[in-house]
Amino acid sequence: NAGVTQTPKFRILKIGQSMTLQCTQDMNHNYMYWYRQDPGMGLKLIYYSVGAGITDKGEVPNGYNVSRSTTEDFPLRLELAAPSQTSVYFCASRDRDSNQPQHFGDGTRLSIL
Amino acid sequence: GESVGLHLPTLSVQEGDNSIINCAYSNSASDYFIWYKQESGKGPQFIIDIRSNMDKRQGQRVTVLLNKTVKHLSLQIAATQPGDSAVYFCAEIEYNFNKFYFGSGTKLNVKP
Repeated sequence: NAGVTQTPKFRILKIGQSMTLQCTQDMNHNYMYWYRQDPGMGLKLIYYSVGAGITDKGEVPNGYNVSRSTTEDFPLRLELAAPSQTSVYFCASRDRDSNQPQHFGDGTRLSIL
Repeated sequence: GESVGLHLPTLSVQEGDNSIINCAYSNSASDYFIWYKQESGKGPQFIIDIRSNMDKRQGQRVTVLLNKTVKHLSLQIAATQPGDSAVYFCAEIEYNFNKFYFGSGTKLNVKP
């Protein structure tokens, strides 16, 4: 199993550009999450999904959108990139039916200039 | 301990010594607590967890202690190795409500 795979690993955007961060997992996990991690800070939840077709806002959803059309994929969309969105983004998944910890991808490092 | 801001607290230890990393949590309703290890350029990696009805749990070279009275969690690493160098952070979880709260972390630096 590959686990949680995020692409791209790095990206530089100009202010106002848009992009989609991809996340896919092959563990058949129902729950998926998007976090951002700023330097020296803990992970902040952006959006999460408890299954295909269901998404919910987390702590810091403004400026982002998500969709969950399949169990495997949970893309994160930035519509109008702003410098405040410069961060490292982590996707995670976990099994709904057990108290198991989240499995994380290796992150996407995004810089908005 | 945990810290908010650009500079993580750093714990420097000699190879072979034991390390203790601390975490203060805030939510009395948290069911589970997890310690993660994060190496540079990588995602967080699960180390060990503990339920709220326990006060100690041991793994391979790691022990987690939970003190609910003072809302304190600690991670002990025995015989620390250079490969243990990373940022360690705790997470408190309310599984029923799908709530996860993450600390900012402590950087462990193991000197050979």
